[in-house]
Amino acid sequence: NAGVMQNPRHLVRRRGQEARLRCSPMKGHSHVYWYRQLPEEGLKFMVYLQKENIIDESGMPKERFSAEFPKEGPSILRIQQVVRGDSAAYFCASSPQVDQPQHFGDGTRLSIL
Amino acid sequence: SQQGEEDPQALSIQEGENATMNCSYKTSINNLQWYRQNSGRGLVHLILIRSNEREKHSGRLRVTLDTSKKSSSLLITASRAADTASYFCATVLRSNDYKLSFGAGTTVTVRA
Repeated sequence: NAGVMQNPRHLVRRRGQEARLRCSPMKGHSHVYWYRQLPEEGLKFMVYLQKENIIDESGMPKERFSAEFPKEGPSILRIQQVVRGDSAAYFCASSPQVDQPQHFGDGTRLSIL
Repeated sequence: SQQGEEDPQALSIQEGENATMNCSYKTSINNLQWYRQNSGRGLVHLILIRSNEREKHSGRLRVTLDTSKKSSSLLITASRAADTASYFCATVLRSNDYKLSFGAGTTVTVRA
């Protein structure tokens, strides 16, 4: 029973490029959450999705960031025209129901040159 | 500002000793959760304590919650080198809420 799978584990992009981060939730989990962690800080909520629906994107910057969770395939967090300030660890979590503990992946560490 | 704030920021103890860390928060909550993060890894859920509970145990872990003081503590007894990690508290404000509000964490180093 695989846990939450994120890939890639490390991603390096130059300023202005696009970053695509993938997350496959645990089997049977239909609720997906994305968080961002800056160095020496705790995780900050970005977005909550269910299959094909964005439920809450209040923690996600309005520009350049988007997220999806299609009917088939993993959830994708997309960052367009990346800037140095986007450098962080991005974590995905999933849960079977919204009020159940969230299970986290190992994250994608994004570095912007 | 963060809802949960851990104290101390860092803790170094000898193997076999107990480690205690605290979490303070600002607003009323539905539940509070503790997570562990090993270096370079994701968060692992440890314990969830609800606002109507005062204490919970899980193995060598003991969590207390004082809603009047808006604070929680995590005690790790008989620490092991494998307990070396960062520990985070996260609050959930309402039932059926999904947003976890994390503090900056306590980094625990257990010396062999």
